[in-house]
Amino acid sequence: DVKVTQSSRYLVKRTGEKVFLECVQDMDHENMFWYRQDPGLGLRLIYFSYDVKMKEKGDIPEGYSVSREKKERFSLILESASTNQTSMYLCASTLTGHTTDTQYFGPGTRLTVL
Amino acid sequence: AQTVTQSQPEMSVQEAETVTLSCTYDTSESNYYLFWYKQPPSRQMILVIRQEAYKQQNATENRFSVNFQKAAKSFSLKISDSQLGDTAMYFCAFTGYSGAGSYQLTFGKGTKLSVIP
Repeated sequence: DVKVTQSSRYLVKRTGEKVFLECVQDMDHENMFWYRQDPGLGLRLIYFSYDVKMKEKGDIPEGYSVSREKKERFSLILESASTNQTSMYLCASTLTGHTTDTQYFGPGTRLTVL
Repeated sequence: AQTVTQSQPEMSVQEAETVTLSCTYDTSESNYYLFWYKQPPSRQMILVIRQEAYKQQNATENRFSVNFQKAAKSFSLKISDSQLGDTAMYFCAFTGYSGAGSYQLTFGKGTKLSVIP
Protein backbone atom coordinates (compact mmCIF):
# COMPACT_ATOMS: atom_id res chain seq x y z
CA ASP A 1 0.00 0.00 0.00
CA VAL A 2 1.03 3.55 -0.67
CA LYS A 3 2.03 5.33 2.47
CA VAL A 4 2.05 9.09 2.80
CA THR A 5 3.28 10.37 6.13
CA GLN A 6 3.39 13.85 7.58
CA SER A 7 5.89 14.93 10.19
CA SER A 8 3.40 16.03 12.84
CA ARG A 9 -0.30 15.43 13.57
CA TYR A 10 -0.56 18.53 15.75
CA LEU A 11 1.62 21.62 15.80
CA VAL A 12 1.39 24.85 17.79
CA LYS A 13 3.47 27.84 16.73
CA ARG A 14 3.61 31.53 17.49
CA THR A 15 2.96 34.38 15.12
CA GLY A 16 6.07 35.25 13.13
CA GLU A 17 7.74 31.87 13.51
CA LYS A 18 9.07 29.98 10.50
CA VAL A 19 7.20 26.70 10.20
CA PHE A 20 8.15 23.58 8.28
CA LEU A 21 5.64 20.88 7.45
CA GLU A 22 7.11 17.77 5.91
CA CYS A 23 5.54 15.06 3.81
CA VAL A 24 7.10 11.78 2.71
CA GLN A 25 5.73 9.16 0.33
CA ASP A 26 7.23 5.73 -0.09
CA MET A 27 5.98 4.68 -3.54
CA ASP A 28 8.17 6.66 -5.93
CA HIS A 29 5.30 8.95 -6.90
CA GLU A 30 6.08 11.77 -9.29
CA ASN A 31 3.57 14.33 -8.11
CA MET A 32 3.05 15.74 -4.66
CA PHE A 33 0.54 18.27 -3.37
CA TRP A 34 -0.13 20.47 -0.37
CA TYR A 35 -3.71 21.36 0.51
CA ARG A 36 -5.28 23.41 3.22
CA GLN A 37 -8.59 22.19 4.68
CA ASP A 38 -10.92 24.57 6.48
CA PRO A 39 -14.50 23.92 7.64
CA GLY A 40 -17.00 25.06 5.06
CA LEU A 41 -14.29 25.70 2.48
CA GLY A 42 -13.25 22.18 1.56
CA LEU A 43 -9.71 21.55 0.33
CA ARG A 44 -7.76 24.27 -1.40
CA LEU A 45 -4.53 23.63 -3.25
CA ILE A 46 -1.53 25.60 -2.02
CA TYR A 47 1.29 24.23 -4.18
CA PHE A 48 2.14 21.11 -6.08
CA SER A 49 5.27 19.57 -7.53
CA TYR A 50 5.54 17.32 -10.58
CA ASP A 51 9.25 16.61 -10.29
CA VAL A 52 12.23 17.18 -8.06
CA LYS A 53 12.99 20.89 -7.72
CA MET A 54 9.86 21.72 -9.74
CA LYS A 55 6.88 23.46 -8.23
CA GLU A 56 3.72 25.18 -9.32
CA LYS A 57 1.38 27.49 -7.47
CA GLY A 58 -2.08 26.35 -6.62
CA ASP A 59 -5.08 28.46 -5.72
CA ILE A 60 -3.79 29.99 -2.46
CA PRO A 61 0.04 30.18 -2.50
CA GLU A 62 0.35 33.52 -0.70
CA GLY A 63 2.28 33.22 2.53
CA TYR A 64 3.65 29.78 1.68
CA SER A 65 6.62 28.30 -0.12
CA VAL A 66 7.63 24.73 -0.87
CA SER A 67 10.72 22.66 -1.37
CA ARG A 68 11.26 19.35 -3.11
CA GLU A 69 14.91 18.33 -3.04
CA LYS A 70 14.21 14.60 -3.15
CA LYS A 71 11.48 12.76 -4.98
CA GLU A 72 9.93 11.28 -1.87
CA ARG A 73 9.84 14.44 0.24
CA PHE A 74 7.80 17.61 -0.19
CA SER A 75 8.01 20.38 2.39
CA LEU A 76 5.62 23.24 3.00
CA ILE A 77 7.15 26.35 4.54
CA LEU A 78 5.41 29.19 6.30
CA GLU A 79 8.04 31.92 6.27
CA SER A 80 6.33 33.99 8.98
CA ALA A 81 3.32 32.24 10.44
CA SER A 82 0.15 34.24 10.97
CA THR A 83 -3.03 33.41 12.85
CA ASN A 84 -4.99 33.12 9.61
CA GLN A 85 -2.79 30.17 8.70
CA THR A 86 -4.29 28.12 11.51
CA SER A 87 -5.71 25.16 9.63
CA MET A 88 -5.47 21.49 8.75
CA TYR A 89 -2.78 20.83 6.15
CA LEU A 90 -2.99 17.76 3.95
CA CYS A 91 -0.29 16.33 1.76
CA ALA A 92 -1.06 14.06 -1.18
CA SER A 93 0.79 12.26 -3.94
CA THR A 94 0.05 10.62 -7.28
CA LEU A 95 2.05 8.12 -9.29
CA THR A 96 2.06 10.19 -12.48
CA GLY A 97 0.41 13.28 -13.87
CA HIS A 98 -2.36 11.36 -15.58
CA THR A 99 -5.77 12.77 -14.83
CA THR A 100 -7.13 9.42 -13.67
CA ASP A 101 -4.50 8.97 -11.01
CA THR A 102 -5.69 8.46 -7.46
CA GLN A 103 -4.47 10.99 -4.97
CA TYR A 104 -3.09 9.33 -1.83
CA PHE A 105 -3.39 11.51 1.23
CA GLY A 106 -1.41 11.78 4.42
CA PRO A 107 -3.10 11.95 7.83
CA GLY A 108 -2.90 15.73 8.01
CA THR A 109 -1.19 18.24 10.28
CA ARG A 110 -3.41 20.45 12.39
CA LEU A 111 -1.50 23.69 12.80
CA THR A 112 -2.44 26.30 15.36
CA VAL A 113 -0.76 29.71 15.19
CA LEU A 114 -1.10 31.74 18.37
CA ALA B 1 -12.16 28.21 -13.74
CA GLN B 2 -13.84 25.06 -12.59
CA THR B 3 -16.17 25.04 -9.62
CA VAL B 4 -17.61 22.14 -7.63
CA THR B 5 -20.72 22.61 -5.51
CA GLN B 6 -21.98 20.30 -2.80
CA SER B 7 -25.27 21.72 -1.62
CA GLN B 8 -25.73 19.48 1.44
CA PRO B 9 -23.34 20.41 4.27
CA GLU B 10 -24.68 17.62 6.49
CA MET B 11 -26.77 14.52 6.02
CA SER B 12 -27.78 11.53 8.06
CA VAL B 13 -29.05 8.08 7.19
CA GLN B 14 -30.20 5.06 9.11
CA GLU B 15 -27.99 2.02 9.01
CA ALA B 16 -28.85 -0.29 6.08
CA GLU B 17 -30.72 2.49 4.23
CA THR B 18 -29.69 4.23 1.01
CA VAL B 19 -28.49 7.81 0.80
CA THR B 20 -27.57 10.07 -2.12
CA LEU B 21 -25.05 12.90 -1.90
CA SER B 22 -25.33 15.66 -4.48
CA CYS B 23 -22.60 17.34 -6.48
CA THR B 24 -22.71 19.76 -9.38
CA TYR B 25 -19.80 21.24 -11.26
CA ASP B 26 -19.10 23.86 -13.84
CA THR B 27 -16.50 23.58 -16.57
CA SER B 28 -15.96 24.41 -20.20
CA GLU B 29 -13.70 21.42 -20.73
CA SER B 30 -14.86 18.38 -22.66
CA ASN B 31 -12.40 15.87 -21.20
CA TYR B 32 -12.35 15.57 -17.45
CA TYR B 33 -12.74 13.21 -14.54
CA LEU B 34 -14.86 13.31 -11.44
CA PHE B 35 -14.14 11.74 -8.08
CA TRP B 36 -15.67 11.14 -4.71
CA TYR B 37 -13.27 11.06 -1.78
CA LYS B 38 -14.11 9.98 1.77
CA GLN B 39 -12.50 11.35 4.94
CA PRO B 40 -13.47 9.33 8.04
CA PRO B 41 -13.12 11.07 11.43
CA SER B 42 -9.43 11.44 12.29
CA ARG B 43 -8.42 9.21 9.42
CA GLN B 44 -6.84 9.68 6.03
CA MET B 45 -8.82 10.67 2.98
CA ILE B 46 -9.33 7.87 0.47
CA LEU B 47 -10.77 7.57 -3.00
CA VAL B 48 -14.27 6.09 -3.16
CA ILE B 49 -15.07 6.17 -6.85
CA ARG B 50 -14.15 7.92 -10.10
CA GLN B 51 -15.95 8.66 -13.37
CA GLU B 52 -14.56 9.57 -16.77
CA ALA B 53 -16.61 12.20 -18.58
CA TYR B 54 -16.52 10.28 -21.87
CA LYS B 55 -18.00 7.15 -20.36
CA GLN B 56 -21.77 7.10 -20.36
CA GLN B 57 -21.95 4.14 -18.01
CA ASN B 58 -22.13 5.13 -14.37
CA ALA B 59 -19.26 3.91 -12.22
CA THR B 60 -19.93 1.40 -9.44
CA GLU B 61 -17.76 0.17 -6.58
CA ASN B 62 -19.55 -2.35 -4.40
CA ARG B 63 -22.15 -0.39 -2.39
CA PHE B 64 -21.11 2.92 -3.95
CA SER B 65 -22.42 4.11 -7.30
CA VAL B 66 -22.71 7.40 -9.11
CA ASN B 67 -25.38 9.06 -11.19
CA PHE B 68 -23.46 11.05 -13.79
CA GLN B 69 -25.53 13.48 -15.82
CA LYS B 70 -23.09 15.22 -18.15
CA ALA B 71 -25.53 17.65 -19.72
CA ALA B 72 -26.74 18.75 -16.30
CA LYS B 73 -23.18 18.72 -14.93
CA SER B 74 -24.32 16.61 -12.03
CA PHE B 75 -22.39 13.83 -10.27
CA SER B 76 -24.21 12.35 -7.29
CA LEU B 77 -23.00 9.52 -5.05
CA LYS B 78 -25.36 6.81 -3.92
CA ILE B 79 -24.47 4.67 -0.92
CA SER B 80 -26.55 1.54 -0.56
CA ASP B 81 -26.94 -0.52 2.60
CA SER B 82 -25.27 2.20 4.67
CA GLN B 83 -22.87 1.02 7.35
CA LEU B 84 -21.54 2.73 10.45
CA GLY B 85 -18.12 2.86 8.81
CA ASP B 86 -19.55 5.09 6.09
CA THR B 87 -19.72 7.95 8.58
CA ALA B 88 -17.32 10.51 7.12
CA MET B 89 -16.88 13.73 5.22
CA TYR B 90 -17.42 13.16 1.52
CA PHE B 91 -15.79 15.41 -1.04
CA CYS B 92 -16.68 15.63 -4.67
CA ALA B 93 -13.74 16.58 -6.88
CA PHE B 94 -13.10 17.55 -10.48
CA THR B 95 -9.85 17.32 -12.37
CA GLY B 96 -8.65 19.54 -15.16
CA TYR B 97 -5.32 19.83 -16.85
CA SER B 98 -3.00 22.43 -15.36
CA GLY B 99 -0.70 22.63 -18.33
CA ALA B 100 2.38 21.90 -16.26
CA GLY B 101 2.66 18.19 -16.83
CA SER B 102 0.37 17.46 -13.96
CA TYR B 103 -3.20 18.02 -12.99
CA GLN B 104 -5.08 19.85 -10.33
CA LEU B 105 -8.08 18.64 -8.35
CA THR B 106 -10.84 21.09 -7.49
CA PHE B 107 -12.79 19.99 -4.44
CA GLY B 108 -16.26 20.81 -3.23
CA LYS B 109 -16.81 21.99 0.32
CA GLY B 110 -17.83 18.55 1.51
CA THR B 111 -20.86 16.77 2.92
CA LYS B 112 -20.72 15.38 6.43
CA LEU B 113 -22.56 12.08 6.47
CA SER B 114 -23.62 10.43 9.70
CA VAL B 115 -24.88 6.85 9.72
CA ILE B 116 -27.24 6.29 12.62
CA PRO B 117 -27.49 2.84 14.22
